[in-house]
Amino acid sequence: GAGVSQSPRYKVAKRGQDVALRCDPISGHVSLFWYQQALGQGPEFLTYFQNEAQLDKSGLPSDRFFAERPEGSVSTLKIQRTQQEDSAVYLCASSREQGSEQYFGPGTRLTVT
Amino acid sequence: GQQLNQSPQSMFIQEGEDVSMNCTSSSIFNTWLWYKQDPGEGPVLLIALYKAGELTSNGRLTAQFGITRKDSFLNISASIPSDVGIYFCAGPRGNFGNEKLTFGTGTRLTIIP
Repeated sequence: GAGVSQSPRYKVAKRGQDVALRCDPISGHVSLFWYQQALGQGPEFLTYFQNEAQLDKSGLPSDRFFAERPEGSVSTLKIQRTQQEDSAVYLCASSREQGSEQYFGPGTRLTVT
Repeated sequence: GQQLNQSPQSMFIQEGEDVSMNCTSSSIFNTWLWYKQDPGEGPVLLIALYKAGELTSNGRLTAQFGITRKDSFLNISASIPSDVGIYFCAGPRGNFGNEKLTFGTGTRLTIIP
């Protein structure tokens, strides 16, 4: 497909489990963003990559959250020891170059029980 | 985290009616963006505004960048069923090249049959 894809689309985790969420950006897009969207709220910024470099991780809620993009394309957001407050939709977006339009994926809905 | 304030929070209208919504911030933005999000999908960019006072149209949608740079308005004329969804305003923040977005609280549009 031509758009941003994310997997899995839905994830249920028991409290304390680790989860890994994958984002496949549009091919050739330099910038990649992760956002967290709580129920009934707008998305909130988590972290930003330019190619493989993580340039901003100021939005990550705690050190349980970790993101990587080792080859400058696919990115993984990992959450360790999940808590109930981590339940949200995690959105990935990519843009062709710095400052250009961000294209969003469909998101991964994480539910922590 | 910081979010932009949108009003109204929700709207119930009949097909064919015009719609107006707005977004305000306590701080200045140099760019205003309007997104639409359908259930189970990521936000999709509708209109981008780059200059204070700018009025931009995209089909039945018209958006304005407020003179103070602290607000923006979105109008939809002659609403149709596919307009149903959640509308978010957003503004980029961060250093050059890191256009992390701050999103509004959203306006949910419902069309009454």
